[in-house]
Amino acid sequence: SQKIEQNSEALNIQEGKTATLTCNYTNYSPAYLQWYRQDPGRGPVFLLLIRENEKEKRKERLKVTFDTTLKQSLFHITASQPADSATYLCAPDTGRRALTFGSGTRLQVQP
Amino acid sequence: DADVTQTPRNRITKTGKRIMLECSQTKGHDRMYWYRQDPGLGLRLIYYSFDVKDINKGEISDGYSVSRQAQAKFSLSLESAIPNQTALYFCATSDTGTSGLLYNEQFFGPGTRLTVL
Repeated sequence: SQKIEQNSEALNIQEGKTATLTCNYTNYSPAYLQWYRQDPGRGPVFLLLIRENEKEKRKERLKVTFDTTLKQSLFHITASQPADSATYLCAPDTGRRALTFGSGTRLQVQP
Repeated sequence: DADVTQTPRNRITKTGKRIMLECSQTKGHDRMYWYRQDPGLGLRLIYYSFDVKDINKGEISDGYSVSRQAQAKFSLSLESAIPNQTALYFCATSDTGTSGLLYNEQFFGPGTRLTVL
């Protein structure tokens, strides 16, 4: 069955450091992969989308990589700030049906 | 005003009651979705609709039904609520776009916190 794995343990880092979150998937052949941010009690908000033919994509302090051989996407936040503290969800998809989300990794940036 | 709205925002009900959660959007999107979120389980898809005449089951549709009354409205019903349906429910929308592909971003509503006693 299709499975999406994100580290269920919270990631704690110091302000100014780079946070790296991992999304692994199995039994998928996604054409693209999306990343969302979710704050407690609120709906997820779209951050970035990367296509299968793109190795890397950047947006301000965010960088996403997509390795279809490893079946993995890495999400980086450089120069992290306490305001970056949230849960980050990945959503790989084939493009043929509705999105399926990973359970998310909670990031805590300490001042 | 918010682009995707959900009513009610909070609801406490009893086992066996019929409950309807409503979602409205002003984004003009043709695709709408219902998800539930439980601690540690992430978002799980209940139903989705790609246009007014299209309804599809998600991974956890048992115990739920939906109605797409118009392009802008998508309602989720629990015919006979049970305690394990206690969760945070989210509605989302996305746009087909000119290419017809599914990779457009999803826009989420603020959520409905449902408690079934």
